[in-house]
Amino acid sequence: QQQVKQSPQSLIVQKGGISIINCAYENTAFDYFPWYQQFPGKGPALLIAIRPDVSEKKEGRFTISFNKSAKQFSLHIMDSQPGDSATYFCAASKGSNYKLTFGKGTLLTVNP
Amino acid sequence: DAGVTQSPTHLIKTRGQHVTLRCSPISGHKSVSWYQQVLGQGPQFIFQYYEKEERGRGNFPDRFSARQFPNYSSELNVNALLLGDSALYLCASSHTGTGNTIYFGEGSWLTVV
Repeated sequence: QQQVKQSPQSLIVQKGGISIINCAYENTAFDYFPWYQQFPGKGPALLIAIRPDVSEKKEGRFTISFNKSAKQFSLHIMDSQPGDSATYFCAASKGSNYKLTFGKGTLLTVNP
Repeated sequence: DAGVTQSPTHLIKTRGQHVTLRCSPISGHKSVSWYQQVLGQGPQFIFQYYEKEERGRGNFPDRFSARQFPNYSSELNVNALLLGDSALYLCASSHTGTGNTIYFGEGSWLTVV
């Protein structure tokens, strides 16, 4: 049972464009929704996270939008840069320091 | 400050063998979790330890076991290795049992032949 569904599987964006990755979850007990960025050969690094009491959180060029009623959340990367090329994972958990359930990942390629 | 450190970084084992992977958390962090990441997939939760007690276990067979030491470092042990155990094994640490960010190490790449 896949509790967090992520799409698209891969995404190609031109430099300066907007990258959008979507996730949907099933377990309404989840209350912490982080996004991780992973470069080849490296471990996942926390990018930004949100809790369901807010609908949007922005940190620099990265924004999470959260729709509690639809059980969906998304990552927007504004002004995408070639250095943003990586695999992005959404995740969810009950509490911010417990078992993370990850999506399958999105491979983002930003062309110069 | 050093991040989460894992060893070894790469290893090759034969089917049926046993493997031990090691993790040192960020200084001051008392919680350690282990995840398995198969190529092309997201990490899957295996175990979490907090203050040397098992706090959670994912859907993995009993061939997988772990422990946390008094200095909060941890070991993941896998017995009777199968080809399907080939994966990146990630260790993560956080400051307390709840309410804090989880930081990942760079992982141990295990290949079973």
